[in-house]
Amino acid sequence: LAKTTQPISMDSYEGQEVNITCSHNNIATNDYITWYQQFPSQGPRFIIQGYKTKVTNEVASLFIPADRKSSTLSLPRVSLSDTAVYYCLVVFNTNAGKSTFGDGTTLTVKP
Amino acid sequence: NAGVTQTPKFQVLKTGQSMTLQCAQDMNHNSMYWYRQDPGMGLRLIYYSASEGTTDKGEVPNGYNVSRLNKREFSLRLESAAPSQTSVYFCASSEGLGPQPQHFGDGTRLSIL
Repeated sequence: LAKTTQPISMDSYEGQEVNITCSHNNIATNDYITWYQQFPSQGPRFIIQGYKTKVTNEVASLFIPADRKSSTLSLPRVSLSDTAVYYCLVVFNTNAGKSTFGDGTTLTVKP
Repeated sequence: NAGVTQTPKFQVLKTGQSMTLQCAQDMNHNSMYWYRQDPGMGLRLIYYSASEGTTDKGEVPNGYNVSRLNKREFSLRLESAAPSQTSVYFCASSEGLGPQPQHFGDGTRLSIL
């Protein structure tokens, strides 16, 4: 299982871009990188997923360098409602049951 | 669409009591999962079901049993609850076991005294 390492916490201000980096040094060839967001008293919510290079959707971008040993979740122009815990997850291509959530990054957005 | 529905939302048990947590999804997903989340920590996988009729152990299966009742429902049973099992339990589902997004319920908060 590929373990992930993320910063425990980050602070930002409204309107700024936030980049959260995740380290996954022992990622395997068939693994994907997935990010989830979790608000208090709720289950995690899927944000974005990628295998290599860059992926963008309506809420975030995911940057994955060529060696795939790390990835960066980019949240453009954050608002107070983006305050949450963000989890980086390495998912085995054919068996998500082999993936492991880390302890996540608590992002606090200030006014 | 309700998505993933978990019942009950809260429960308090005494040590040694048994309990079944229920989970149902209405997205016609093949795969379902049970996680636990202890305070300030990430989620740990207890059991998962790749498809109807199959179940497999996750990272922390001891003290739990599961039943994939049909495609929609996946239950988690604590046969003899222990204080160490006090946690928030999340059920999730996905189209398959590949890298598809998992959809989570809002959790069951379980306290064991």
